[in-house]
Amino acid sequence: QSALTQPRSVSGSLGQSVTISCTATSSDFGGYNFVSWYQHSPGKAHKLIAYEFNKRPSGVSDRFSGSRSGSTASLTISGLQAEDEADYFCCSYAGNYDFFFGGGTKLTVL
Amino acid sequence: EVQLVESGGGVVQPGGSLRLSCAASEFAISDYAMAWVRQTPGKGLEWVSGISYNGVGTNYADSVKGRFTISRDISKNTLYLEMNNLRAEDTAIYYCAKDLGRRGRGATMDVWGKGATVTVSS
Repeated sequence: QSALTQPRSVSGSLGQSVTISCTATSSDFGGYNFVSWYQHSPGKAHKLIAYEFNKRPSGVSDRFSGSRSGSTASLTISGLQAEDEADYFCCSYAGNYDFFFGGGTKLTVL
Repeated sequence: EVQLVESGGGVVQPGGSLRLSCAASEFAISDYAMAWVRQTPGKGLEWVSGISYNGVGTNYADSVKGRFTISRDISKNTLYLEMNNLRAEDTAIYYCAKDLGRRGRGATMDVWGKGATVTVSS
């Protein structure tokens, strides 16, 4: 099973853009096109902000966008706001109701 | 509002058992694949178990296979995780989550609960 590697932390200033990467270290995301991104803040439930690499759930700001290039999925957050400060996780479907996750990236908004 | 609320967490000795519950509201679990995921500071997020929307298919992480059982009660609209022979390394926050798609393959979890804390310690 592939592992997903994310940077431990990223930071950006208010109004700027940041990109968080998620790299599959072996098989190409398990051969599936089901990579999701979640936002998690203390005391809150994990929030789905992108799925199938670049789809956005209804109600999620268009400041969040997902993409893929080869074995790397990316989440770009534009127009950074203070409330974007959170942990972000990528997740890949591995078939048969199985998933694997990246280690998470802590976003600091300066 | 679609919501999941976990309960049943607590402190248990190694070798002990616990049953987690996940009460669903504003949707029928009989129409959605569901999953349990756990999170620890050291290992991050780890998928634990999943169940198909019709309850026929189940799967478990190797780390819990043979010790944990996922099940559901349609009449109570509640998902369960029975955990036996608990080990220190099972200490984590346990989350339940639902699939994005109705009667889907369970490839994207869109709604999560806030979690239940399980501590395995003597």
